Amino acid sequence: EAQVTQNPRYLITVTGKKLTVTCSQNMNHEYMSWYRQDPGLGLRQIYYSMNVEVTDKGDVPEGYKVSRKEKRNFPLILESPSPNQTSLYFCASTGPSYEQYFGPGTRLTVT
Amino acid sequence: AQSVTQLDSHVSVSEGTPVLLRCNYSSSYSPSLFWYVQHPNKGLQLLLKYTSAATLVKGINGFEAEFKKSETSFHLTKPSAHMSDAAEYFCVVSNGWDTDKLIFGTGTRLQVFP
Repeated sequence: EAQVTQNPRYLITVTGKKLTVTCSQNMNHEYMSWYRQDPGLGLRQIYYSMNVEVTDKGDVPEGYKVSRKEKRNFPLILESPSPNQTSLYFCASTGPSYEQYFGPGTRLTVT
Repeated sequence: AQSVTQLDSHVSVSEGTPVLLRCNYSSSYSPSLFWYVQHPNKGLQLLLKYTSAATLVKGINGFEAEFKKSETSFHLTKPSAHMSDAAEYFCVVSNGWDTDKLIFGTGTRLQVFP
């Protein structure tokens, strides 16, 4: 089954404790993205990757890092999380007709 | 620059009545337009997409949308609402030359009453 998976689905952490949210897709897509979703703001792109070892900033990249060492994986890294990064995060990969396939989401709470 | 505006943050309808969710866009190039649906505690699912073919686009679950260039609109409609349609809906635009870059609207929450 074609899918995008994310882990963990829920995470509660404390300020400053490094964390990684994993993302994997099995559709051999080149383009992948990370979004955060906040009430009233819709989805905002954090980072994207056009292929292995090619990443770039989206609209709200501050406080985040990504890597793309393999085509299928695109982890999101928060080196020093802060409470304003409490949000719902989605990973997505882009299909051949530019439609995006979304993961199930990761709800992150930073206290 | 491109942008998308969803004109209603909340829409309430009775089951069996028509649904209209409004979306206006702005794009310097021929846009691609999408509607996504998000059910509670779920990820986003593609409902339908417009990519410069037919202006009336049919999607899943009985939804359709019409691309109107003169009005810069891409409104989502369904003739008869079902309880399972209650969700949040996002209108999304991408421009013609950087179609991997999507701009999301702020969403419209659809409530369906019995």
